[in-house]
Formats: sequence, structure tokens, C-alpha cells
Amino acid sequence: NAGVTQTPKFRVLKTGQSMTLLCAQDMNHEYMYWYRQDPGMGLRLIHYSVGEGTTAKGEVPDGYNVSRLKKQNFLLGLESAAPSQTSVYFCASSELLGTVSYGYTFGSGTRLTVV
Amino acid sequence: DQQVKQNSPSLSVQEGRISILNCDYTNSMFDYFLWYKKYPAEGPTFLISISSIKDKNEDGRFTVFLNKSAKHLSLHIVPSQPGDSAVYFCAARKGNTPLVFGKGTRLSVIA
Repeated sequence: NAGVTQTPKFRVLKTGQSMTLLCAQDMNHEYMYWYRQDPGMGLRLIHYSVGEGTTAKGEVPDGYNVSRLKKQNFLLGLESAAPSQTSVYFCASSELLGTVSYGYTFGSGTRLTVV
Repeated sequence: DQQVKQNSPSLSVQEGRISILNCDYTNSMFDYFLWYKKYPAEGPTFLISISSIKDKNEDGRFTVFLNKSAKHLSLHIVPSQPGDSAVYFCAARKGNTPLVFGKGTRLSVIA
């Protein structure tokens, strides 16, 4: 039972390069989220999805795109990386109980450095 | 504007004593509050939660208190253990919206 798996765990990008972070969950959760953690800033929501084929913007969506083509996967894309996107990225998923989501499960994070 | 605030970046406590971590919020519509614990190089893990209709929830050594009139909640850990040393995040939500997190408080429990 893997829970939430993020790949890669580490990556160094040059400014202007693109990359995709992959999040996979095996708990059949409806909701998935991407957060970034920066020193002194806590966890900030980038984008989230309330089901397969849906996405929505969070607090800090600029410079990122997402896709949820399959229920178990949530992809976060950086089209043209900038040093300000140096951060630790966490994916999470949660199940829907009635009309409310519960039980966020987080992945172990992707540490991205943009030089 | 920051809706969930943890004003103490760090806290040091002796082993066996009580740890009290504080959290303030500005959105009176929040109806569910949670605490997450995070070790280095790992993702946050759920610790304890409380609904806005309650003022206390207890789980073993961990107790969360909610004061809605003051828009304040606190996490009490008694007794504190060295394994409790971690970053603690307070989080809140309104209805089915995504969780909003505070900046975190780093707890160090000294043996």
C-alpha cells in the first residue's frame, strides 16, 4: 500500500527549462492537491482537482499547469522554470465522505532547484 | 492576507513538560481545524482535528482546544517526548474547500 507517490524526489533545472512532476495515489481518492513549501511561508496551494478531468486554481497558480486525466494521477507542469519556483512540492489526496473531503494523505515531496 | 497564523516560528521544551503550540485564524467561516506534523524529508502527517462545534478534542497525549470567540486554537502535548520534535502546521477549511495552512512552528523537545 504505497499511498501517495511523488516522482522525482529531487531535480535541478536551468531557468527556462520545463518539467512535469508526477503524483500517483492508490487509495481511490477523489480529491488531489499540489502544495509548495517555502521557508517561512508554510504550505501554499498551487492547484487542486475534485475529480478526474477537473482542475482548479489555488493560492499561487501562476507559472504552473496541471492535468488529471486519470483518477489516480495528478501532474504538475512547469513550462518555463524560474528561480522563484525553487521549492519543495507536496502532493496530497483526500477522500470524499458525503459532500466533504477528509483525510489528506501527503506524498514525501519533490525538492526542485531552479538555477 | 494570511488566514491562518502561527506566530511562533519555534519552540523549545524539556522532555516530560507540556508543549503548547498556538494558532490564530481570521476567517470566521472556517468550520474544521487540523494539526499536521512534519519530519524533515517527509510529507506532513495528520495529527488531530476539531470541528467548530466543539471546544476540545483529545487523543492520547495530544489535545486541541478551540476558542471561537478569540479565533484561536492550541495544541497541547503532554508529556513531551524527543520524538515529538518536528514542524507542526495548523490548518483550517470552510466547507469542502482545500485546507489553508499556517507557516508552521518548529518544536524541539530537549532530553
